[in-house]
Amino acid sequence: DIQMTQSPSSLSASLGDRVTITCRASQDIGNYLTWFQQKPGKSPRRMIYGATNLEDGVPSRFSGSRSGSDYSLTISSLESEDVADYHCLQSIQYPLTFGSGTKLEIK
Amino acid sequence: EVQLQQSGPEVGRPGSSVKISCKASGYTFTDYVMNWVKQSPGQGLEWIGWIDPEYGSTDYAEKFKKKATLTADTSSNTAYIQLSSLTSEDTATYFCARDSGNYWGQGVMVTVSS
Repeated sequence: DIQMTQSPSSLSASLGDRVTITCRASQDIGNYLTWFQQKPGKSPRRMIYGATNLEDGVPSRFSGSRSGSDYSLTISSLESEDVADYHCLQSIQYPLTFGSGTKLEIK
Repeated sequence: EVQLQQSGPEVGRPGSSVKISCKASGYTFTDYVMNWVKQSPGQGLEWIGWIDPEYGSTDYAEKFKKKATLTADTSSNTAYIQLSSLTSEDTATYFCARDSGNYWGQGVMVTVSS
């Protein structure tokens, strides 16, 4: 199975900060990487697909990037509504595997 | 508008089974696979498996092969997951999610309690 190592597990940042969350894949997954945002008590929401593609309706302060086997979700200027858990998912191979999640809070 | 409407919360006794539904609307049900995902309290997301509603074919993560059974009824555009031999480890929220995860159900909380 492909392991997705996500870091950090939690992150506290100030409004307006640039925030980056990373997932490292244990095998080549190409660009088959999706980022989800999940607010408390809600279903996950797809934010980024294909590693770099912004889902329709997602604010442009969110972006995805890849460097080798490292995949990053960046929020360019943190807003209060961004407080949530973030999850990465690889979908190149079954079983699909998620990262362990990142809890993002406001400092 | 695509919607995935899941059934209500379930309480199951240890050793029993529960069956959760996910009714799809707003698209052709047989055009997309349906994934199922588990989220234990305060934990991350785990992929359980998928079903292709058109053919009924399925695939499961290894740890769920004896735990979960995925089915689909094309006459009612509904996907199902049955969880058997319930233990406390099965207490979690279960989501259905279409294909690449751009649409999710609201989740069903399953509580295993005697």
